[in-house]
Amino acid sequence: EVQLVESGGGLVKPGGSLRLSCAASGFTFSGYNMNWVRQAPGKGLEWVSSISSSSGYLSYADSVRGRFTISRDNAKNSLFLQMNSLRAEDTGVYYCARDGSVHDYWYFDLWGRGTLVTVSS
Amino acid sequence: DIVMTQSPDSLAVSLGERATINCKSSQSVLYSSNNKNYLAWYQQKPGQPPKLLIYWASSRESGVPDRFSGGGSETDFTLTISSLQAEDVAVYYCQQYYGSSRTFGQGTKVEIK
Repeated sequence: EVQLVESGGGLVKPGGSLRLSCAASGFTFSGYNMNWVRQAPGKGLEWVSSISSSSGYLSYADSVRGRFTISRDNAKNSLFLQMNSLRAEDTGVYYCARDGSVHDYWYFDLWGRGTLVTVSS
Repeated sequence: DIVMTQSPDSLAVSLGERATINCKSSQSVLYSSNNKNYLAWYQQKPGQPPKLLIYWASSRESGVPDRFSGGGSETDFTLTISSLQAEDVAVYYCQQYYGSSRTFGQGTKVEIK
């Protein structure tokens, strides 16, 4: 079955760190660009970060640049998001999403169920 | 960043009736070299992740019912549900992928009247 499964969410204090993981299965993970998209409680969707299939290109939303780091391990079919200096406004569900393009950055054609990150003292 | 604005924020439609959602981008998302509009639509049901419905403004994702259709060009787009079914109750988002920073509209909640 083609799927993405996120893990690593939880409750963390402001200023703290968390590492999210996304396990991919059912498709050739190494052939796709991958992304993180988040959703604050009761709010809309916000693209967070993207990584190319070979990890050669990384991009971040202005709201997380300098604090979050995206990475991947193609041998383990896994995507990661290291989140440092967390703020209350980083609270939300974080989705792992596959890019609809092999060579570019387009729409998101496969989504995980998400992992909840709560930043609170 | 390109700002995406949807209207209305919510709408209630009777079963079997047409539902139309609008999405406006702050700049054109039509790429002249390939004449494609870099716009997608998603459906998100309560407690579920978003699901891709439409890409390239009007191409339906595999498995999506043909009552869903997308239209428009440059800065103005629409998602139409031709005959609303109970299972279509959801929040719908448009998203542009023209800019380096991909952005979503604020969402439109569709309910049954």
